[in-house]
Amino acid sequence: EAQVTQNPRYLITVTGKKLTVTCSQNMNHEYMSWYRQDPGLGLRQIYYSMNVEVTDKGDVPEGYKVSRKEKRNFPLILESPSPNQTSLYFCASSPGNGYTEAFFGQGTRLTVV
Amino acid sequence: DQQVKQNSPSLSVQEGRISILNCDYTNSMFDYFLWYKKYPAEGPTFLISISSIKDKNEDGRFTVFLNKSAKHLSLHIVPSQPGDSAVYFCAAGGTSYGKLTFGQGTILTVHP
Repeated sequence: EAQVTQNPRYLITVTGKKLTVTCSQNMNHEYMSWYRQDPGLGLRQIYYSMNVEVTDKGDVPEGYKVSRKEKRNFPLILESPSPNQTSLYFCASSPGNGYTEAFFGQGTRLTVV
Repeated sequence: DQQVKQNSPSLSVQEGRISILNCDYTNSMFDYFLWYKKYPAEGPTFLISISSIKDKNEDGRFTVFLNKSAKHLSLHIVPSQPGDSAVYFCAAGGTSYGKLTFGQGTILTVHP
């Protein structure tokens, strides 16, 4: 079954404690991205990757890091989480250049206290 | 700067009637537009798309209309069903843009 898998689904952490949210896709897509969803703001792109070892900033990259060492995996790293990073996060993958149909993971609800 | 806007946070419709969700954009570089549907506790799922070379695309009960001169697109759902109740996001991208930009979402509620 074609899917994008994120882990964990829920996470509560404390300010400053480094964390990683994993994302894996089994569709051999070149393009992967991370979004955060906040009330009234919709989905905003954090980082994207057009292929292995190629990453770039989206619209709200501050406080986040990513890496793309393998085609299927695209982890999101919060080196020093802060309360304003409390949000619902989605990983997505798509064929081609990233402006066509994207397949989303089920989301990670992150709370930073 | 919100390049893709959905100005109606919510819409309530009776079962069997038409639902019309609207979306406006500002960036002329956008040439591909999509609608996604999202249920609670799930990721968004692709619904329908349209390229800027067309002004209408239809898939079953769902039709997307694009008015390039007005920089406006709309999603029509006919007839609406209770299972259509969800958050709908419009998104825009382009061959020279390299990513999707999403609107704020509209909560659609279809009453039986």
